[in-house]
Amino acid sequence: GIQVEQSPPDLILQEGANSTLRCNFSDSVNNLQWFHQNPWGQLINLFYIPSGTKQNGRLSATTVATERYSLLYISSSQTTDSGVYFCAVDRSYGQNFVFGPGTRLSVLP
Amino acid sequence: DVKVTQSSRYLVKRTGEKVFLECVQDMDHENMFWYRQDPGLGLRLIYFSYDVKMKEKGDIPEGYSVSREKKERFSLILESASTNQTSMYLCASRRYYGAVLPNEQFFGPGTRLTVL
Repeated sequence: GIQVEQSPPDLILQEGANSTLRCNFSDSVNNLQWFHQNPWGQLINLFYIPSGTKQNGRLSATTVATERYSLLYISSSQTTDSGVYFCAVDRSYGQNFVFGPGTRLSVLP
Repeated sequence: DVKVTQSSRYLVKRTGEKVFLECVQDMDHENMFWYRQDPGLGLRLIYFSYDVKMKEKGDIPEGYSVSREKKERFSLILESASTNQTSMYLCASRRYYGAVLPNEQFFGPGTRLTVL
């Protein structure tokens, strides 16, 4: 099956810093999503981005499908950005996503 | 606003009990999923359903069953709970194969189950 890797596994930042999270996948995909899991366990949808670039406030994402990777950019980080960021991909509509192992982000005040 | 709800945020059960976890979505989605999340193991798919009364095994179905009698509701059943089923359980839903894009998956808030 498709493999999903994320890097770095852990990241500690000072408030206000910028960061880039990476997701690599082993095969072509039809769908890719980025999620943020908050400290209470809820998975929040950040981006649906099988290709191209999107921006939402301080967050943006880019997926280069031909090279099988996606990047999540967080600018001017805030303590509320802390949590685990997951990348998830699937190869066919209607089937389940395969999740990466996540990047744990800690933003210090 | 899209919404997936789960019946309990926290649940404590005893070994051998039958446990029901319920998930309801209000987006008229065809597909619904149950995952469990454990430290170091990530999110793993237990079962999914692509239509009423239809179900497919995921990666770790052993010890679980599911029920989907109505389109909006998907239940996960632990027939005889065991301590190794202590975990975070997450329900999700999305549109069917071939639906108009974007075909995002949306998650409920999760249920932290402890089996003593």
